[in-house]
Amino acid sequence: KQEVTQIPAALSVPEGENLVLNCSFTDSAIYNLQWFRQDPGKGLTSLLLIQSSQREQTSGRLNASLDKSSGRSTLYIAASQPGDSATYLCAAGGHYGQNFVFGPGTRLSVLP
Amino acid sequence: NAGVTQTPKFQVLKTGQSMTLQCAQDMNHNSMYWYRQDPGMGLRLIYYSASEGTTDKGEVPNGYNVSRLNKREFSLRLESAAPSQTSVYFCASSAPKEGGYNSPLHFGNGTRLTVT
Repeated sequence: KQEVTQIPAALSVPEGENLVLNCSFTDSAIYNLQWFRQDPGKGLTSLLLIQSSQREQTSGRLNASLDKSSGRSTLYIAASQPGDSATYLCAAGGHYGQNFVFGPGTRLSVLP
Repeated sequence: NAGVTQTPKFQVLKTGQSMTLQCAQDMNHNSMYWYRQDPGMGLRLIYYSASEGTTDKGEVPNGYNVSRLNKREFSLRLESAAPSQTSVYFCASSAPKEGGYNSPLHFGNGTRLTVT
């Protein structure tokens, strides 16, 4: 059974710092890895989806990498801003989306 | 573009009461999902519908039923609510491409349910 973990559970950084969020999964037979952002009281917003054949995806200040062999993905946020404060979740995707297994999330606070 | 819309936003039930959570998407997506999110845990899949007319159980289906009313709408029903079903419920949709995967999930804003 796929298990997804995220470390750390919470992170607090000063504005402007570059940071890395970690996601680990136990079963390397995934089809994709998706990163989401969740603001308090809101649903999840998809940030990046990395297909299993890809190594990384970039969107603006965000860069996500995927290493299937080691069961790891990282989300790199450059030049963090207070507006980046949210919970970030990763999900390891299987076939047809029904097998997306979510991690518990990392709660990020960017201090002005 | 509304995306995925869930109603109601909040609900309080007494043990044994029933209710239906509504979800609609306007993105012409084939697949729809119901998840629950509990403190300290990731999201867990309750039921999903890969396409109109089909539904399948996810990881935690006990105590729930679903109906895929049409391509747009996917409802979740609690027949006899229990305190263990206190949670935040999210509906999501996706548009699987050929092969069925590599499609991002789009989420609604959730329904916060408390069962006393």
